[in-house]
Amino acid sequence: DADVTQTPRNRITKTGKRIMLECSQTKGHDRMYWYRQDPGLGLRLIYYSFDVKDINKGEISDGYSVSRQAQAKFSLSLESAIPNQTALYFCATSDSGVSYEQYFGPGTRLTVT
Amino acid sequence: GENVEQHPSTLSVQEGDSAVIKCTYSDSASNYFPWYKQELGKRPQLIIDIRSNVGEKKDQRIAVTLNKTAKHFSLHITETQPEDSAVYFCAASRAGGGNKLTFGTGTQLKVEL
Repeated sequence: DADVTQTPRNRITKTGKRIMLECSQTKGHDRMYWYRQDPGLGLRLIYYSFDVKDINKGEISDGYSVSRQAQAKFSLSLESAIPNQTALYFCATSDSGVSYEQYFGPGTRLTVT
Repeated sequence: GENVEQHPSTLSVQEGDSAVIKCTYSDSASNYFPWYKQELGKRPQLIIDIRSNVGEKKDQRIAVTLNKTAKHFSLHITETQPEDSAVYFCAASRAGGGNKLTFGTGTQLKVEL
């Protein structure tokens, strides 16, 4: 089945470390998104990409960077992790066609100690 | 930017009763309003969506209503079942703006036997 996958699924890291979260999709979608989920705050958009050459900041991009290595791959990096970046991170994809539905990956639970 | 408020944050109903979750949005240019369901430990999944050219949409036990003048939309679940227990998120976007979703903060629905 066409799907959205994320690696790793769980990660514990220390303050100041660099960490990369990876997202891959086999849906053939051109649009990809990174969100973080915190209790009581819902899902907030970090970065989004409409195609390989198009990267845009979302509402909470400070402290994060992204790379769109191919249409199917979109990575999120924390250059110097801090404890308040502890959260559940979701990647999502959508098609630029008629459907506006976003398909989410299984999530990465990141803990920064 | 867009701001989406969602109420209530928790909702407890008896099996078979109806549940209503309400959201308001701030950007009058928003024209796409999806609802996502997130079961414990799982990814968010789209359950129903509505576009601004429609006032109501129904899919079996689930319906969504939209009032563009008041800038609010609601999710209605009838004949609730235990498997409806989950967190529900509303969202809003301008479909022409790359479908950047702004999410509400979520409603924890518990259906009691």
